[in-house]
Formats: sequence, structure tokens, C-alpha cells
Amino acid sequence: DIVMTQSPKSLTVSLGARATINCKSSQNVFSRSNKGNYLAWYQQKSGQPPKLLIYWASTREVGVPDRFSGSGSGTDFTLTINNVQAEDVAVYYCHQYYSPQHTFGQGTRVQV
Amino acid sequence: QVRLQQSGPGLVEPSQTLSLTCAISGDSVSNTRAAWTWLRQSPSRGLEWLGRTYYRKQWSDEYADSMKGRVIVNSDTSKNQFYLHLISVTHEDTAVYYCGRDQGALNVWGQGTTVTVSS
Repeated sequence: DIVMTQSPKSLTVSLGARATINCKSSQNVFSRSNKGNYLAWYQQKSGQPPKLLIYWASTREVGVPDRFSGSGSGTDFTLTINNVQAEDVAVYYCHQYYSPQHTFGQGTRVQV
Repeated sequence: QVRLQQSGPGLVEPSQTLSLTCAISGDSVSNTRAAWTWLRQSPSRGLEWLGRTYYRKQWSDEYADSMKGRVIVNSDTSKNQFYLHLISVTHEDTAVYYCGRDQGALNVWGQGTTVTVSS
């Protein structure tokens, strides 16, 4: 299985500041055939299912505020939250769907 | 708007079979651009992908290696639903179970079902 490792495990930021979450995959998740990274980011608030924020490593899902952005390629990826708001308190997960055996990172808790 | 509505028991006895249902509205289980997926989440194992079913020119299913032989994901096109069956459950199967629509990333999720394995 592809192992997804997130850092840090927890992060406290001030309102209006930037949060940066890293995700490293144990194998390349970039496909040369469609030139895409099979990497997604989710936000999970307490008591709710995860919500898709970013797919193909950098494409924002419809309705997701543009303060959320994704970057990276191959094995190293980053989720950036600019101008952090109180409603961004959540656990964030990366997810690889390159392998049929999908796997997730262990999560990063963001507090404000 | 696509919605997934989960149903099933919250308590299952050890060695029994856990069966959960995910009802789809706003999409079709036969959508050739989607796969219908089950996952679970627990403090000890995090988010864990269990398996999926999908239709292309025929029905196919895929399962996590760790779950093979114990999990079945199938569907009923007449009800537009899909199902999870987890055989011979143990306490380690206690988790919140989610269904989801996979179009690469998981862009729609069910509300979650908390399942406890206990006698």
C-alpha cells in the first residue's frame, strides 16, 4: 500500500494567518498518461463526514473558498489555508487515489 | 444535488455479519463515471478504504487487501442502492462507517454510521 504521511499532526494559527499542511506519499502518485497527481485533500469538522476540498492536487472543489489551495507533485504535497477563519477549525486529510488501494494520511488538526 | 443516505444497525455481535445500506439520490449506481465506495474511521486505524463497486461495461468490485475474504460490496439497481457486508466482525471492526461516491476523489459522502461490535 502507498503510505501517506502528514505533518504536522497539529497546528495552531492566529485568525488571518496562514496554515501549511504537508503530505508525503511513499510512492509517486503522478500519472504520466493524464499528467495528473492522484491526490486529494479533505476537511473534517467534528461529528461530520470528510468534505472534499482539493482534487488532482490543486483543483478546488466547487464552493470551496479560494483561501484553500493545494500544490505539489510526485510524492510531496501541500495544503495551504490563507487568511485562516474560525470556521476552518477541523482535521485535514490527504488521500491518494493513484493505487486501487486508496489510502489516507493520519490527519492534521488545525486550531485557531 | 447528489445525496447518500446510510442505514443499518449500530450494534453488531461478535462473529456476526455487519450489513449497511447506502441509498443514492441525484445520481445512479450504474453511472459509468463513478464508483460506489465504503470506508470506515476509528481512532486506532484512521480513515480506511474498504472497497467499492462500479459499472463500466459490466459490474466490478475491488477490496482492500486487509479486508479480502471478509467484505463484500454490491448494489441493487432497482433500488439505486449499494451495500456493505462485513463478515465475522470483531471488536476491531468498531468504527464509523461511511459510504461515498468516488470520481477519483470522494466528492460525496454519506452521513456516517457508528457501529459498535459488542455482545
